[in-house]
Amino acid sequence: EVQLLESGGGLVQPGGSLRLSCAGSGFIFSNYAMSWVRQAPGKGLEWVSTIKIRASSTYYADSVQGRFTVSGDNSKNTLYLQMNSLRAEDTAVYYCAKDSGTGWHYFDYWGQGTLVTVSS
Amino acid sequence: IVMTQSPATLSVSPGERATLSCRASQSVSSNLAWYQQKPGQAPRLIYGASTRATAIPARFSGSGSGTEFTLTISSLQSEDFAVYYCQQYNSWPLTFGGGTKVEIK
Repeated sequence: EVQLLESGGGLVQPGGSLRLSCAGSGFIFSNYAMSWVRQAPGKGLEWVSTIKIRASSTYYADSVQGRFTVSGDNSKNTLYLQMNSLRAEDTAVYYCAKDSGTGWHYFDYWGQGTLVTVSS
Repeated sequence: IVMTQSPATLSVSPGERATLSCRASQSVSSNLAWYQQKPGQAPRLIYGASTRATAIPARFSGSGSGTEFTLTISSLQSEDFAVYYCQQYNSWPLTFGGGTKVEIK
C-alpha cells in the first residue's frame, strides 16, 4: 500500500525558514517523480514544485522560485522541501504527491498534508 | 495555462446527474486530470490519462480535449458531494482550476 507522510510544518515568522519532509512507502521511490502541492486556507490547490530524482530535474512555480528548494533522498525514501524567505502568502497546507508513473505529471497518491503558518 | 472551472457551486439532488466543466486558456491536448476533495482530506485522483483511477466507480466519466473538458457524475451518491478540481499536465507550470463544489440540493 502506497503511503506518504508529511512532517515539518509549523508556525514561522516572515522571512524565516522551514524544511518539510515526506516519507514514502509501498513503492519504489526512485522510480517516480514527486511533487509538492499547497492549499491556502479556504482556497484551491496550487502546484509548488516537482522533482525527477533520477534525472536530477526540478521544477518550480514562479511564486516560490529562488526561495524554495526541492530534493529527495532515495536511500530514505524521503522527499524534502526547503522553504526560505517565507511570506504570509506561503501559509497553506502542503501536500506531497506521487506522480502517476505514466510519464505525465498528475498525482495518484497524496499525503495528508502538513500546515505551514507564516505569521509574526 | 489558466484553468477555469464552472460553475463554482453546483447544487444537485442525490440520484441526479452532475456535469462539471473545465476550460483551459490554451490547448492541453488530452492531458487533464480530475481530483475530488472532501473537507479535511487530501485530494483524491478521479481521472488521469483519460482513464478512471483505481477504485473510482463507473458513474464518473470524463471527456474532452483541447480546451474544453467535462466530468460527469451520472447518479450522485452521498459520498460524491465534495469539491472537484481539474489539473492540466501538458506543460509547466502545472496548473489547477479553482474548483467546483458539488453540494446537496
